[in-house]
Amino acid sequence: ETGVTQSPTHLIKTRGQQVTLRCSSQSGHNTVSWYQQALGQGPQFIFQYYREEENGRGNFPPRFSGLQFPNYSSELNVNALELDDSALYLCASSSPWEGQYFGPGTRLLVL
Amino acid sequence: GDSVTQMEGPVTLSEEACLTINCTYTATGYPSLFWYVQYPGEGLQLLLKATKADDKGSNKGFEATYRKETTSFHLEKGSVQVSDSAVYFCALTPGGSYIPTFGRGTSLIVHP
Repeated sequence: ETGVTQSPTHLIKTRGQQVTLRCSSQSGHNTVSWYQQALGQGPQFIFQYYREEENGRGNFPPRFSGLQFPNYSSELNVNALELDDSALYLCASSSPWEGQYFGPGTRLLVL
Repeated sequence: GDSVTQMEGPVTLSEEACLTINCTYTATGYPSLFWYVQYPGEGLQLLLKATKADDKGSNKGFEATYRKETTSFHLEKGSVQVSDSAVYFCALTPGGSYIPTFGRGTSLIVHP
């Protein structure tokens, strides 16, 4: 059974650019969630996908968008990057009544 | 809305000391409760969980009991090690939902 993987591990962008982060879910999990974790803070929920449909969204602007593929892998896209978007972005997959299994994260730095 | 409140850190202990990290929650219905651990530079790992009242989750010497009467899920360990140094997050998911609410995290520092 493979765990949750994310790519890339680190990324540096400049303000105004766009970024795509990728996540492969754990085998057997059809639900993927994305989180933003600023330094010293808990994860903040961005959105969740269940069977390729958005299943819930946190308090993030529309420039944060996502996608889930038939194999349940997922992408997070952020347009018009701002300095405050610098954070660790975590992907987690889950199945009913289990906790979420997190990937190692992508650390994004916006300059 | 749902919320999770954790004790503020950092918690600093000597090796082999007892640990308690308090966590209380507010939620409607019957949430599932979780503790996650985040080691420096890494993502979160599920440490333990409990899905109904009076359940006790345990893993790696840590344990927590789902107390519905006090809406609490305190994390405990009888003897901590330096390798337990990390940030610990309490979280809940409402019944029937996969969307968790996390606490702010409690940093644990264990000295030799």
